[in-house]
Amino acid sequence: SAVISQKPSRDICQRGTSLTIQCQVDSQVTMMFWYRQQPGQSLTLIATANQGSEATYESGFVIDKFPISRPNLTFSTLTVSNMSPEDSSIYLCSAWDSPGDTQYFGPGTRLTVL
Amino acid sequence: GESVGLHLPTLSVQEGDNSIINCAYSNSASDYFIWYKQESGKGPQFIIDIRSNMDKRQGQRVTVLLNKTVKHLSLQIAATQPGDSAVYFCAESWAGTALIFGKGTTLSVSS
Repeated sequence: SAVISQKPSRDICQRGTSLTIQCQVDSQVTMMFWYRQQPGQSLTLIATANQGSEATYESGFVIDKFPISRPNLTFSTLTVSNMSPEDSSIYLCSAWDSPGDTQYFGPGTRLTVL
Repeated sequence: GESVGLHLPTLSVQEGDNSIINCAYSNSASDYFIWYKQESGKGPQFIIDIRSNMDKRQGQRVTVLLNKTVKHLSLQIAATQPGDSAVYFCAESWAGTALIFGKGTTLSVSS
């Protein structure tokens, strides 16, 4: 199984600033995803991080707000831009080796925006 | 859009009881289903999965049942322990797309 780490594990940020979250997988994976989990709620898919091309965003999420990079098969970043208190959530990185395979999750990054 | 929902938001059981957590899904084209456990402050942890060509799969103390006729998924935990206390999510996928999650059920086990 893939082991996924994220940095930072948590952060407290000021309104209007941006935060970049890093996701590292211990093996090469086909697919990487970013999810958001708002307090007390389920996970919502933000986007699929595509290696070598622009990420594919879900309805309600846009590249200007959540730019994503994926320079190789083991690493991705998610930036939360121009943050507001509504962006306070846990952001989770996920990956699988091949479509339809088990999807593993990182520990999450707990973001609080003041 | 397609969604996965859960029948009960909370479930309280006694240690040693069997627990059953239910999930309804709406996309009849979904072909892959997973149950995750999430403890406070942690990411979702894989428990068990099942593909649409099966109706039952067993793991260690856990069983997943899939009823495609009524689009229902359940997770059975045998001899529930305090360490099983967590939020449980079902998730679905179709044709290799990213998982879509249900709302979650909080399982509380008292000793």
